[in-house]
Amino acid sequence: GIQVEQSPPDLILQEGANSTLRCNFSDSVNNLQWFHQNPWGQLINLFYIPSGTKQNGRLSATTVATERYSLLYISSSQTTDSGVYFCAVTTDSWGKLQFGAGTQVVVTP
Amino acid sequence: GAVVSQHPSRVICKSGTSVKIECRSLDFQATTMFWYRQFPKQSLMLMATSNEGSKATYEQGVEKDKFLINHASLTLSTLTVTSAHPEDSSFYICSAHQLAGGTGELFFGEGSRLTVL
Repeated sequence: GIQVEQSPPDLILQEGANSTLRCNFSDSVNNLQWFHQNPWGQLINLFYIPSGTKQNGRLSATTVATERYSLLYISSSQTTDSGVYFCAVTTDSWGKLQFGAGTQVVVTP
Repeated sequence: GAVVSQHPSRVICKSGTSVKIECRSLDFQATTMFWYRQFPKQSLMLMATSNEGSKATYEQGVEKDKFLINHASLTLSTLTVTSAHPEDSSFYICSAHQLAGGTGELFFGEGSRLTVL
């Protein structure tokens, strides 16, 4: 099956800093999504981005499908940005998402 | 975005009992829903695909007699953990596509944390 690799596995940021999270995938995908899992376990949809670039406030994402990677940018980080960020992709017609291992982000005051 | 709701959010049960978790799509119809499982500090692993009006499709290594899935309507899928044991303790989370045919964005419920004593 498809391999989804996220880097870095852990990231510690000071409040106000910018960061880039990366997601590499081993095959062509139909769909790519970025999620933020909060401390209570809920998955928050950040971006649905099989290709191209999107921005939502301090967050933006870029997927280069031909080169099989996606980037999530966090600017001016805040303590509420802490949590685990997951990249997930779909390769089949059912729409099943295959998750990467996640990046644990800690933003310190 | 679309809303997927799960209930209960937390459940504690004794070993040997069965537990039912409900997953509802609140503002759309979902012919297909997905059930995931997450152990502490790990990623989400797909357990099964729930199909409205037909049998669920289980991923390799997932016991279908242990994890019973019923998708009786276009807005409700249930996961029943039968004869639960401590090793079944985990975070279970469901998801659904808002659009038909497995296209578009996938939305997740709030998750259900199961603790088996």
